[in-house]
Amino acid sequence: GAVVSQHPSRVICKSGTSVKIECRSLDFQATTMFWYRQFPKQSLMLMATSNEGSKATYEQGVEKDKFLINHASLTLSTLTVTSAHPEDSSFYICSASSGQGTSYEQYFGPGTRLTVT
Amino acid sequence: AQSVTQLGSHVSVSEGALVLLRCNYSSSVPPYLFWYVQYPNQGLQLLLKYTSAATLVKGINGFEAEFKKSETSFHLTKPSAHMSDAAEYFCAVSDQTGGFKTIFGAGTRLFVKA
Repeated sequence: GAVVSQHPSRVICKSGTSVKIECRSLDFQATTMFWYRQFPKQSLMLMATSNEGSKATYEQGVEKDKFLINHASLTLSTLTVTSAHPEDSSFYICSASSGQGTSYEQYFGPGTRLTVT
Repeated sequence: AQSVTQLGSHVSVSEGALVLLRCNYSSSVPPYLFWYVQYPNQGLQLLLKYTSAATLVKGINGFEAEFKKSETSFHLTKPSAHMSDAAEYFCAVSDQTGGFKTIFGAGTRLFVKA
């Protein structure tokens, strides 16, 4: 089956620094990647959708200058949290889709736990 | 806009008992519907999906769900719960009008008692 990896799985950073999270599709070409954040005991909230080679589309209320998304290739998307603050601490999950066929499906990465101190 | 409502943030069953997790959706066009399971500090694993084929969908680990258009429901069931089924379950919907973005329900935590 399709596999999506994320790196790192956990990261702790100091307030004011930037953190980059990578999302890779290991065995398929992901034309579309999605980034979600999940607060403790809550559901996944879509942050942005990125298509390879295009600018990401951000959901309402998500600061695009704070959460920089780059989808430079069909197998890699990165999320950079700039000038991180404690309130950015969360579980970030990416998903990837090949966008083929009508049985549209996303494959999820294992998530990245970000803690900002 | 599509949306998903999961009834019950927590469900507790005894081992061997029937599992029923409820999900109702809202979509203006035929939807794609999904059930995912999430174990602590992990990503999501797809249990099953409905994509306008058979209304009764069988998934992994003995789970199944039935799409009922008249009730706009997609409830998840399993005849006999195992301890390993304890996890968070998310119902999700996507459709063409939403650009195939996936919208998740709030989740239901399943507890399985020995």
